[in-house]
Amino acid sequence: DVKVTQSSRYLVKRTGEKVFLECVQDMDHENMFWYRQDPGLGLRLIYFSYDVKMKEKGDIPEGYSVSREKKERFSLILESASTNQTSMYLCASTRDRGLFGARDNEQFFGPGTRLTVL
Amino acid sequence: SQQGEEDPQALSIQEGENATMNCSYKTSINNLQWYRQNSGRGLVHLILIRSNEREKHSGRLRVTLDTSKKSSSLLITASRAADTASYFCATDARYNTDKLIFGTGTRLQVFP
Repeated sequence: DVKVTQSSRYLVKRTGEKVFLECVQDMDHENMFWYRQDPGLGLRLIYFSYDVKMKEKGDIPEGYSVSREKKERFSLILESASTNQTSMYLCASTRDRGLFGARDNEQFFGPGTRLTVL
Repeated sequence: SQQGEEDPQALSIQEGENATMNCSYKTSINNLQWYRQNSGRGLVHLILIRSNEREKHSGRLRVTLDTSKKSSSLLITASRAADTASYFCATDARYNTDKLIFGTGTRLQVFP
């Protein structure tokens, strides 16, 4: 079974701190994603990566950066945490769809990190 | 950008009843997926239906897709208390198939 793990289930940080959220998947997936989930807003894509050292901005990248130095690990960085970044953060991975997009692209999620910024 | 919109936002039923959730989307898709999320946890993939399929079954789940109306429905038959969760539809944009766009979800409460 695919397993996606996240470094913390709960995290409390202070405004201005640098925050690292880490995600690791064990199925050799090419694509990895970071979302944040807020009540009434659903899941919003922050960043995604389709290969090592490759990244693309999602819908809400402001205030975030990412790092993918190894295929299995995708890190989300809050350079200077702010209270409006209090949220549930979800990491997901999926395999590449293949040359003609033939493979299905269901995403496998980690358990989430609930971040509170005080 | 919001692609999928679920309806209703919340649904409460008794055990044994059927639960139906609907999803509407805006652009052409390759496939539509349904996910489940237990409170405070990550999402779990339930079922995927391709754009050339009209109906798909998996256990007590039945999904339909109407591409002309850009809508899908998820039916859970003979619901159980353990089905209590939030359910999300997700679509991929036909020409950008790596990303999924999730709706805001339907919160289902099944009372024993």
